[in-house]
Amino acid sequence: GAGVSQSPRYKVAKRGQDVALRCDPISGHVSLFWYQQALGQGPEFLTYFQNEAQLDKSGLPSDRFFAERPEGSVSTLKIQRTQQEDSAVYLCASSYSGGGGAKNEQFFGPGTRLTVL
Amino acid sequence: AQSVTQLDSHVSVSEGTPVLLRCNYSSSYSPSLFWYVQHPNKGLQLLLKYTSAATLVKGINGFEAEFKKSETSFHLTKPSAHMSDAAEYFCVVSDLAAGNKLTFGGGTRVLVKP
Repeated sequence: GAGVSQSPRYKVAKRGQDVALRCDPISGHVSLFWYQQALGQGPEFLTYFQNEAQLDKSGLPSDRFFAERPEGSVSTLKIQRTQQEDSAVYLCASSYSGGGGAKNEQFFGPGTRLTVL
Repeated sequence: AQSVTQLDSHVSVSEGTPVLLRCNYSSSYSPSLFWYVQHPNKGLQLLLKYTSAATLVKGINGFEAEFKKSETSFHLTKPSAHMSDAAEYFCVVSDLAAGNKLTFGGGTRVLVKP
C-alpha cells in the first residue's frame, strides 16, 4: 500500500528562485495538510485542504507561499522569490476524512528538504 | 490557543533501562493528544493517541502514555529502551478550537547507549 509521497526529496534553490513542492496523498484521503519543519524544531502548520477547498491558510508565513489542490488529490506548495529563512523540511500529511480529533489520524510523507543558498 | 511544551530537548538512556519523555499541553477545550516518532530521513510515525477514552494509552513498540488532566500532562514511557528507539519524539495536540491542525512540541531527541 502506498503512503504519502513527496517530490522532490531534496531541493536546492538560489535566493530569489521560485520552487514547487509536490505531495501525493494516500488515495481516497479527503484532507491534506502542509507543515514546515525548521532545523531542530517541531513541525509548524502551514495550510489545510478538504478536497480541493483550502479551508485554512493561517500558517503560511508570507504571500510568497501559495498552495493548491485543484482536483482534490495531488497538492503543490509553491514558494516565490525564495529567501534563506525558507530553508526547512516541508512535510505533507493526509487523513481519511475531514473534521478534527484523534479519529482522523494524519499520515505523513517523508518531506522535502529545501535549502536556499 | 493550544500549545505543547516538551520539557527535555535531549534524553540519554542505557539500553534496557526505562525511558520517560515529558510533555505538558495547553488547550482551550478537551484536547486530542498524540506522540509521533521521527527517525532520521524518515517520515513521522504515530506512536499512540489519546481520544478521551482510557487515560492510559498503549501504543506501538512497547510505548505508553498517561493523560493527566489535573496536571495537563501526557508523558511518554517505555519500560526498557532498545537501540532502535533512538530518534526524535514529538508530543502533539489538536483540539476543536484549532480545527484540524496539529500543534507540535519542540521535540525530544533520544539517545540510547549500549
